[in-house]
Amino acid sequence: QKEVEQNSGPLSVPEGAIASLNCTYSDRGSQSFFWYRQYSGKSPELIMFIYSNGDKEDGRFTAQLNKASQYVSLLIRDSQPSDSATYLCAVNMFDAGGTSYGKLTFGQGTILTVHP
Amino acid sequence: EAGVAQSPRYKIIEKRQSVAFWCNPISGHATLYWYQQILGQGPKLLIQFQNNGVVDDSQLPKDRFSAERLKGVDSTLKIQPAKLEDSAVYLCASSLVWGGGAEAFFGQGTRLTVV
Repeated sequence: QKEVEQNSGPLSVPEGAIASLNCTYSDRGSQSFFWYRQYSGKSPELIMFIYSNGDKEDGRFTAQLNKASQYVSLLIRDSQPSDSATYLCAVNMFDAGGTSYGKLTFGQGTILTVHP
Repeated sequence: EAGVAQSPRYKIIEKRQSVAFWCNPISGHATLYWYQQILGQGPKLLIQFQNNGVVDDSQLPKDRFSAERLKGVDSTLKIQPAKLEDSAVYLCASSLVWGGGAEAFFGQGTRLTVV
């Protein structure tokens, strides 16, 4: 089982729709969760992070975390063609001793295409 | 505030040659990461430094890859000798806080092609 899993897609949504991106993780002790956006040929850029169960909203983006289900998602409202990119989920993993040392483990990414 | 700086941006080498990449993190960031990203995949952590000490290098192919972070600031990643499968983008990232999963910021990356 991969440590961080994402549906590679591609996910295609019409302009103005809600895009829903999902991520599951294997380490139940994980505490911090990050969503990065990566345009083709560019490096990842941070969109949002979430630490607590529930929802966190930032503009058109909402991150949702359910630690019991080991599941984190990103919703993009009013999707725009400029949102077309690969979305990477990253999880802060712990070492064998249960200590967090900031190691970020990434999923394989979900390709999102927003068509006009 | 200046971002993470990496050089070179592109490098083409023949297999069995050696290559080195350089990274300068955001000022004040104690944690520095090197990731390898193969086309179509997510970034894979190669090595993580906290100041000038190694925190995690479990996925670094130590027979050919080496990295150092002298004085806890700049870092270099070296590959010797390179193999065809090393063709990838090498990303450097840094974060402010050690532990707790503070967000990491990436440089532009170095695209390596091994022929």
